[in-house]
Amino acid sequence: NAGVTQTPKFRVLKTGQSMTLLCAQDMNHEYMYWYRQDPGMGLRLIHYSVGEGTTAKGEVPDGYNVSRLKKQNFLLGLESAAPSQTSVYFCASTLSGSGNEQFFGPGTRLTVL
Amino acid sequence: GNSVTQMEGPVTLSEEAFLTINCTYTATGYPSLFWYVQYPGEGLQLLLKATKADDKGSNKGFEATYRKETTSFHLEKGSVQVSDSAVYFCALIPNSGYSTLTFGKGTMLLVSP
Repeated sequence: NAGVTQTPKFRVLKTGQSMTLLCAQDMNHEYMYWYRQDPGMGLRLIHYSVGEGTTAKGEVPDGYNVSRLKKQNFLLGLESAAPSQTSVYFCASTLSGSGNEQFFGPGTRLTVL
Repeated sequence: GNSVTQMEGPVTLSEEAFLTINCTYTATGYPSLFWYVQYPGEGLQLLLKATKADDKGSNKGFEATYRKETTSFHLEKGSVQVSDSAVYFCALIPNSGYSTLTFGKGTMLLVSP
């Protein structure tokens, strides 16, 4: 099992460009999450999904969109990147929400110039 | 709302020293509590967890006890190693009706030989 994988690992964008980050999991998990990690801020939830075809906003959703067309994939989109979106992005998944371990991907380091 | 407060780092120790990282929480209901560890350049991994009051989670020599009366879940290790150098995150999720983790801001641990 690969667990949770993220593509790409690194990316540099110019302000205004768009991109999509891909998260894939092979554990048949229902719940998937996108976080961003910034120095001194810990992890902040961007969006999450409790099942195929469903998404919900987290703590910091502005400027991001997500889609969960297939159970194993969770896409995070930036339509018009801004320097404030420079961060490390982590995807996670879990079998169900309450009390269960979340499994994290290795992260995507995004720089917006 | 839910919140997690961790001691600020970095915590700097010599090898074989005793480690304590404090974590206190505020939560709706009775949460499950977690410690995650992030090694340099990697995603988060679950270190240990406790799902009810007085439970003790343990793994790799680390321990934490769920103290409902003090709303705390302090991380301890009797003898740290250089390889324990990492960022440690305390987190919670209520046991019903919720599907998202609330993280503390993380505490960096640096262990020198």
